[in-house]
Amino acid sequence: GAVVSQHPSRVICKSGTSVKIECRSLDFQATTMFWYRQFPKQSLMLMATSNEGSKATYEQGVEKDKFLINHASLTLSTLTVTSAHPEDSSFYICSARVSAGGGTQYFGPGTRLTVL
Amino acid sequence: GQQLNQSPQSMFIQEGEDVSMNCTSSSIFNTWLWYKQEPGEGPVLLIALYKAGELTSNGRLTAQFGITRKDSFLNISASIPSDVGIYFCAGQTRGSNYKLTFGKGTLLTVNP
Repeated sequence: GAVVSQHPSRVICKSGTSVKIECRSLDFQATTMFWYRQFPKQSLMLMATSNEGSKATYEQGVEKDKFLINHASLTLSTLTVTSAHPEDSSFYICSARVSAGGGTQYFGPGTRLTVL
Repeated sequence: GQQLNQSPQSMFIQEGEDVSMNCTSSSIFNTWLWYKQEPGEGPVLLIALYKAGELTSNGRLTAQFGITRKDSFLNISASIPSDVGIYFCAGQTRGSNYKLTFGKGTLLTVNP
């Protein structure tokens, strides 16, 4: 149980385009999902907290207009990187908190974004 | 804000050896979690600790939630090559919307 999927696993796009990444909890409901980015050889950095049916809460320094988050259902959250630039290239990982399971977070497999 | 100090940064060990890594915090956490991440993958939950003093095992892995609630350790016994990866500790406090604070990770290399 507690499986989280992400799609796509890898994406390469041209500078200036937008990319949408999906995060799904497959066998549980997730009131809260989190989006992280991870640079090579570094730890995970929280970008935003996504609560179902409400606006996401962004961490300091993360541009909400650039990283659009939608959490329309208890099993799906999406992150859209708008007008992507090479510096946005990174490993994006989502996690989901089991609604009835306290604070334990389960992570997706990540999405490797490369912006040319 | 809260900071986690995770050590060691890296370890190179021989297969069969035991491994120990730990995390300390400048403030109290209500939950400690240990994750393992392999290259190109998301972190996988190994052990979750919810009470101060709690000692929990998962196969060859054992983790403890420190009495002060400011530290935790993870032990791996009889390491095998597939234990290779980066191990992260993470702390969580109530009222923080369940946000996790991550340590910087311990890179484990196991020589067969």
